Amino acid sequence: RKEVEQDPGPFNVPEGATVAFNCTYSNSASQSFFWYRQDCRKEPKLLMSVYSSGNEDGRFTAQLNRASQYISLLIRDSKLSDSATYLCVVNNNYQLIWGAGTKLIIKP
Amino acid sequence: EAGVAQSPRYKIIEKRQSVAFWCNPISGHATLYWYQQILGQGPKLLIQFQNNGVVDDSQLPKDRFSAERLKGVDSTLKIQPAKLEDSAVYLCASSFNADTQYFGPGTRLTVL
Repeated sequence: RKEVEQDPGPFNVPEGATVAFNCTYSNSASQSFFWYRQDCRKEPKLLMSVYSSGNEDGRFTAQLNRASQYISLLIRDSKLSDSATYLCVVNNNYQLIWGAGTKLIIKP
Repeated sequence: EAGVAQSPRYKIIEKRQSVAFWCNPISGHATLYWYQQILGQGPKLLIQFQNNGVVDDSQLPKDRFSAERLKGVDSTLKIQPAKLEDSAVYLCASSFNADTQYFGPGTRLTVL
């Protein structure tokens, strides 16, 4: 089992819809979690950190489920500009483990 | 605020040749990372520096890859000799608090 796993997708979603994807991790002692966004042929950029209580930033909501060892990202009212690959990152004692990413395509 | 700078942006070499990449992190960021990202995969950490000391190089193929950050600021990553499977984007990132990372534009390496 990989340390951090994501469904590679692609998720094809109509504009305006809500989409959610998960990221599972194997180390129960993982300390912090992040979602990064990567556009085609660009570098990753931090989208949001994931807090234990869950957090929201505009149309984006991140959740952490420690019992089941996964984090989730929910995007509401999706825009064409949301098309990208979403990477989750898990911090294991300051060793950062990256998932392979989930590709999201928003269609008009 | 200036971002993370990397050069060159693109490099094409033949197998068994050597290549070097340069990274200048954001001013004041003590932590610097080098990643390898193969097409369709997530970034793989090669080496992490805290100032000029190595924190983690467990995934660095040390028989051919080397990296240094002599003055705790900019860094170089070298591959010698290159193999076909080294074709990838090499990303440099820096962070202030070892959590949030800021990435440079990357160097796209093609080994023929």
